[in-house]
Amino acid sequence: NAGVMQNPRHLVRRRGQEARLRCSPMKGHSHVYWYRQLPEEGLKFMVYLQKENIIDESGMPKERFSAEFPKEGPSILRIQQVVRGDSAAYFCASSPPQGYITGELFFGEGSRLTVL
Amino acid sequence: KQEVTQIPAALSVPEGENLVLNCSFTDSAIYNLQWFRQDPGKGLTSLLLIQSSQREQTSGRLNASLDKSSGRSTLYIAASQPGDSATYLCVGGTSYGKLTFGQGTILTVHP
Repeated sequence: NAGVMQNPRHLVRRRGQEARLRCSPMKGHSHVYWYRQLPEEGLKFMVYLQKENIIDESGMPKERFSAEFPKEGPSILRIQQVVRGDSAAYFCASSPPQGYITGELFFGEGSRLTVL
Repeated sequence: KQEVTQIPAALSVPEGENLVLNCSFTDSAIYNLQWFRQDPGKGLTSLLLIQSSQREQTSGRLNASLDKSSGRSTLYIAASQPGDSATYLCVGGTSYGKLTFGQGTILTVHP
């Protein structure tokens, strides 16, 4: 039973390019969360999605960032026109269909974005 | 808005010592409190989860306590080993998985 899979593990982009980070939740999980860890900072909540729905995006920057979790396929975190301040580790987590009731949240190993 | 603070920021101890990591949080209406371990370049591993109705949880050499009234949690590690070296994260959770992370305590256990 594979865990939460994130790819790419490392991504390098130049300023102004687009970055797409993918997250495949654990098998059977239908809830996905994205967290961002800026250098020397703690992890910060970005967005919570269920299949085809954004439930809470209160942690998403207002511009250039978007997230989706389609009916089929992985969840995608998209960053348009990247800037150096977007350089960070982006972690995805998933929880079972009944949600987070039991406190079970499984994290992937993260995608590390470097903006040159 | 929940805020989580951890002290100390870094801790270096010789192998075999017992140690305590401290965590404080501002919102006592916490759903649960978790301690995670993060290794460099790796993901997060959940160590202990304490529901809001509980006072403590134990797993092997680890013991975590929760005092909602004072807004504090501690992680106790007994007989520390070099393999325990990592960053330890205290995390407050809501009922739907929105987590608030502390900055972490970087633990180094030297032989």
